[in-house]
Formats: sequence, C-alpha cells, structure tokens
Amino acid sequence: GQSLEQPSEVTAVEGAIVQINCTYQTSGFYGLSWYQQHDGGAPTFLSYNALDGLEETGRFSSFLSRSDSYGYLLLQELQMKDSASYFCAVRDRRASKIIFGSGTRLSIRP
Amino acid sequence: ETGVTQTPRHLVMGMTNKKSLKCEQHLGHNAMYWYKQSAKKPLELMFVYNFKEQTENNSVPSRFSPECPNSSHLFLHLHTLQPEDSALYLCASSQDLRTEAFFGQGTRLTVV
Repeated sequence: GQSLEQPSEVTAVEGAIVQINCTYQTSGFYGLSWYQQHDGGAPTFLSYNALDGLEETGRFSSFLSRSDSYGYLLLQELQMKDSASYFCAVRDRRASKIIFGSGTRLSIRP
Repeated sequence: ETGVTQTPRHLVMGMTNKKSLKCEQHLGHNAMYWYKQSAKKPLELMFVYNFKEQTENNSVPSRFSPECPNSSHLFLHLHTLQPEDSALYLCASSQDLRTEAFFGQGTRLTVV
C-alpha cells in the first residue's frame, strides 16, 4: 500500500526556521515533492527530490533519505505569508501517479 | 494564475440534481487529474487521464463520471450525490504522469 505521514500542525515564530517532516511507504518510489496551499487557494508546487540529499530554493530547502523513507521541508527566515498548509507527495513508479499526505498546517506568530 | 482553470468556483446542488464541473488547462500538458479535498483529510486522487485515456479510477462511486474529450479539457459529471460528497474538487495537470502537478483553484461543492 501507499501512505505518507506528516504532522498535522506546526507553529513557529516570524523570522525563525521550521522543519516539516514526512515519512512515506510506497510499493515503488520515484520521488518526493512538496506543495504549498494557502487557505482558499490551489496547491502550488515547491520542490522535488529524486535523489538523496538537500535541494535549496531560496528560503525553502527539501531533503530526502531514500534508505529511511523520509524527507523534510525546511523553511528559513519565516514570513507571515508562509502561513499555509504544506503537503508532501510521492510519485509511485508502479502506480505512475502522485499521492499526497494529509498536510501540515503551519501557523506563524509575530 | 496557474494555467489551469476550473468552473464554477462554487456550486450548491441538491441530491437529485445533475451538474458538471469543468477544467481547462492551457499548458500543453498530457495528463489531467481530479482530486477531492475534504476537511482534515488528504488530497484524494479520483481519476487520472493520460493522452485522453483514463489510466486510473481510484474506486470512485459511479455517481461521479469523468469525461476527457481532449488533452486540454476535463469534466466531472455529478448525479445523485450525497451530502458527504461536499468538498473541494481540484483539477490538476502535468506534462506527464511523473512530473509536478499544476492545480486549478478548485470547485467548492456543497450537496444539500
């Protein structure tokens, strides 16, 4: 079967750093993606990791460890506009589709 | 604006009604998807189309009927829905089945 686990809620302070973890279980693995969704908005693509290691895109970084079936999204210099839900997603090679986690709601305090 | 447009944005329908959701993508993508998003639940994949052919039906009840007349358009026909079908229905497209998905703004459906 396929499943993804991520925390349901995370709270952080403006200007700080926050890490959102994701563990996954799939019958075949092609890559781990992260999406951001603001309230009332559409999910938007943030990053994709196919290989182990860290990928950095501005204030956001994403990490993957295939041997641990684990990844995380790291957000630095948090801004109020980063308050949103963040979804990890896997591309299952066998199923050839994208499966999403339940999402982590990130709340940022001044 | 993500290049994926969904209409209507909001829909209220009775359980005996028939309605259709429309999705259009202007990105030249070959794959299109319907997802259901309910409160506090993961995004649920409903249907996948690749080059107009349905490649995935994720055990969706027959009261939901998809149609993909071409690679740019995707419909979801609804009939005799239940109140528990109330949710945000998201359409997405991708270049192929393994690249990142671009989502529309969704249709907020309420079944009364």
